[in-house]
Amino acid sequence: RKEVEQDPGPFNVPEGATVAFNCTYSNSASQSFFWYRQDCRKEPKLLMSVYSSGNEDGRFTAQLNRASQYISLLIRDSKLSDSATYLCVVIRTGANNLFFGTGTRLTVIP
Amino acid sequence: NAGVTQTPKFRILKIGQSMTLQCTQDMNHNYMYWYRQDPGMGLKLIYYSVGAGITDKGEVPNGYNVSRSTTEDFPLRLELAAPSQTSVYFCASSYSGRADQPQHFGDGTRLSIL
Repeated sequence: RKEVEQDPGPFNVPEGATVAFNCTYSNSASQSFFWYRQDCRKEPKLLMSVYSSGNEDGRFTAQLNRASQYISLLIRDSKLSDSATYLCVVIRTGANNLFFGTGTRLTVIP
Repeated sequence: NAGVTQTPKFRILKIGQSMTLQCTQDMNHNYMYWYRQDPGMGLKLIYYSVGAGITDKGEVPNGYNVSRSTTEDFPLRLELAAPSQTSVYFCASSYSGRADQPQHFGDGTRLSIL
């Protein structure tokens, strides 16, 4: 079983829509969780950390469910500029215990 | 502040050739990483370093070598290029290996082996 699994999409949504992505992880010892954004042919960039209590940054909300071992990212009022691939990242202890999901591709349509 | 800089951005190699992908960071980060990303796949860790003089293998180290003589530089060496090494390579750094420290990525090197 993969360490981190994501629905690859693509998700095609109209501007203004709300869209949610889930990411599941297999190891209950996982400690930290992040969402990265990767534009086409560009490097990944940190979007937001995911805290146990859930956290929000503008139109973006991240949540963690340790019991079910998944994290989610909710994007409200989608903009064209939100079109990208969203990578889920899970970290266990140690520098080599960082795992990337394959990413979920989002396209926001005018 | 340049962040993480990778060179070259693109390269085409013949099978059996060797080359070094350069990575340098100016953020005084202790931890540095090399990843490869194949089309439609997640990033796979090749090698990482927790400080100058210290390197260790990641998930997919075969066919690669690294060195870390300074805090700033972390070059990745391909000795005998193979078609399976065609990929996009990303270098990243972080201040520490603590689980809550995000990684900063370079722009990537697109490498094709023909």
